[in-house]
Amino acid sequence: QVQLVESGGGVVQPGGSLRLSCAVSGFTLNTHGIFWIRQAPGRGLEWVALIQHDGDEYYADSVRGRFTVSRDTSKNTVFLQMHSLRVDDTAVYYCAKDSTWAFHCWGQGTLVTVSS
Amino acid sequence: QTVVTQEPSFSVSPGGTVTLTCGLTSGSVSTSHNPSWYQQAPGQPPQTLIYSTNTRSSGVPDRFSGAILGNKAALTITGAQADDEADYYCVLHVGGGVWVFGGGTKLTVL
Repeated sequence: QVQLVESGGGVVQPGGSLRLSCAVSGFTLNTHGIFWIRQAPGRGLEWVALIQHDGDEYYADSVRGRFTVSRDTSKNTVFLQMHSLRVDDTAVYYCAKDSTWAFHCWGQGTLVTVSS
Repeated sequence: QTVVTQEPSFSVSPGGTVTLTCGLTSGSVSTSHNPSWYQQAPGQPPQTLIYSTNTRSSGVPDRFSGAILGNKAALTITGAQADDEADYYCVLHVGGGVWVFGGGTKLTVL
């Protein structure tokens, strides 16, 4: 069955870097893209990035130039490399499957805390 | 900057019907925005309810329905139940691979 599992969250100082992973099963990255979405504590959902099945990448203005999405199709894993982290990047980061122009099969999320 | 609007909160009686909306501060929502809806219970990841304006995700009861009403996307819950109490989010594709979520609606069933 389809499953997405995020990992790599943790505590990092402002200005630091972190790499999140989204391991997928039940489908291939050659046929479906992966979204990254985040949710700050007590706040709503925010779309962060998309890597499409053909490898094209898209980013929210709030992270463009600091975050990079990539993938390893042989390992069925998508990555979110985050640099120059700010306190307001603190959030639970989710990945979800891109299908039929919507977000499907959300993972459980991984918490990123940016704090000194 | 594109802003997607949702009612911050809504209340419905058990068994009642409620319609939540998803709009744009500038312009109208259409099917080309591919509106979709998500339900999030406290402490849980979101679950997909509706995609492509009005298609129910697998396993979603038919008392959840989506449509375009006027210049907004809408999610209607018919026969509300206690476990429908949750946060509801819409998201729109605004072009160029960019997606924008609404601020969410906190639905209370009482």
